[in-house]
Amino acid sequence: GAGVSQTPSNKVTEKGKYVELRCDPISGHTALYWYRQSLGQGPEFLIYFQGTGAADDSGLPNDRFFAVRPEGSVSTLKIQRTERGDSAVYLCASSRDTRETQYFGPGTRLLVL
Amino acid sequence: GQQVMQIPQYQHVQEGEDFTTYCNSSTTLSNIQWYKQRPGGHPVFLIQLVKSGEVKKQKRLTFQFGEAKKNSSLHITATQTTDVGTYFCAGVSSNTGKLIFGQGTTLQVKP
Repeated sequence: GAGVSQTPSNKVTEKGKYVELRCDPISGHTALYWYRQSLGQGPEFLIYFQGTGAADDSGLPNDRFFAVRPEGSVSTLKIQRTERGDSAVYLCASSRDTRETQYFGPGTRLLVL
Repeated sequence: GQQVMQIPQYQHVQEGEDFTTYCNSSTTLSNIQWYKQRPGGHPVFLIQLVKSGEVKKQKRLTFQFGEAKKNSSLHITATQTTDVGTYFCAGVSSNTGKLIFGQGTTLQVKP
């Protein structure tokens, strides 16, 4: 069956611009996670959704980052006033329920010039 | 906050040699997961360890969870070129399931 999909696969933007990154989880998965991976590092937790609500957003670096999951399926990660330090691969993962195996999408490579 | 450390950062081996990566957590873990990430790819789940002292095997891969549930290791016997990639351990939050990843160990295998 279909895995986790993320769009776009690559995004190049200029400093100060707004970007949206989309995640389509595996159908029926109630838990959705966003992670950020910088070069040479392990993925870093950003935010976790159980259904429509953000159950844990403790990993969001600052208030320029925001994520939604209005219908409990697709999620969008939004970054305002992008900075060069935001450049990274943004990974989305979903699982059937909390603490179950997480399946990662291919990621969105964000480059802020 | 909880931290997960992993060593070594890089390992180059000759094909057929063994390989081990070690993972240590600053706090006791409810469970630990291992992932493999190929160059340019995304993390792929390998295994989860839950019990103190647990040992699990997948073909040439052996995973161990320490008695104190604060450390873990992955051992690959007789490496092959297909083993190339970065291996991550990740501690699992007991409440939310969020993963706290180590920095990863990148394995290069010379044919």
